[in-house]
Amino acid sequence: EVQLVQSGAEVKKSGESLKISCNGFGYSFTTYWIAWVRQMPGKGLECMGLIYPGDSDTRYSPSLQGQVTMSVDKSINTAYLQWSSLKASDTAMYYCARRGVGPTYESFDIWGQGTMVTVSP
Amino acid sequence: QSALTQPASVSGSPGQSITISCTETSSDIPNYRYVSWYQQHPGKAPKLIIYDINNRPSGVSNRFSGSKSANTASLTISGLQADDEADYYCSSYTGSSTPSFGSGTKVTVL
Repeated sequence: EVQLVQSGAEVKKSGESLKISCNGFGYSFTTYWIAWVRQMPGKGLECMGLIYPGDSDTRYSPSLQGQVTMSVDKSINTAYLQWSSLKASDTAMYYCARRGVGPTYESFDIWGQGTMVTVSP
Repeated sequence: QSALTQPASVSGSPGQSITISCTETSSDIPNYRYVSWYQQHPGKAPKLIIYDINNRPSGVSNRFSGSKSANTASLTISGLQADDEADYYCSSYTGSSTPSFGSGTKVTVL
């Protein structure tokens, strides 16, 4: 079964660092872009950026560039999203999603279950 | 960056059809294409239900259909069912390096 499995919920303090993960199963991990999508409490979806596991090519949302870092370890089929200094405003659910190929190239066809990040002031 | 505007809420009775619009508000209209739609039930991850304007992934009910005219895309749900009650988001690449999502529409089944 094709799936993305994310790491568990995190509770952190403002100023702390954090790295969350997204593990791909059941497909060729290095040949599909992975996106990170933020959903703040009670709000809509926002694409933070994408990374191509094959060569670590990254595309950040202009509004979020510099605030987070995306990376991959293709030896273990895992993508990461990390913060060096969290803020309370980073409190959100974070999803990883696979960008499709061919006809579904411009959409996200597989989603992880989400990682809830809570940052206290 | 352009914005994709959706109505905040749409409601309908079981068996009825409803339509959700998604309007691209930037002047960069030619890049508004390849619209996708996602369904998100409360507490769950989003699910792709329409890609490339009017195509359904395998396993998605044919009660969901998409269309587009000029700068407005639409999602129609026919034969509305209780399980269709969810949030719906459109998405498209509108000239940026990352896709934009619409503001989201809450569908209520009366």
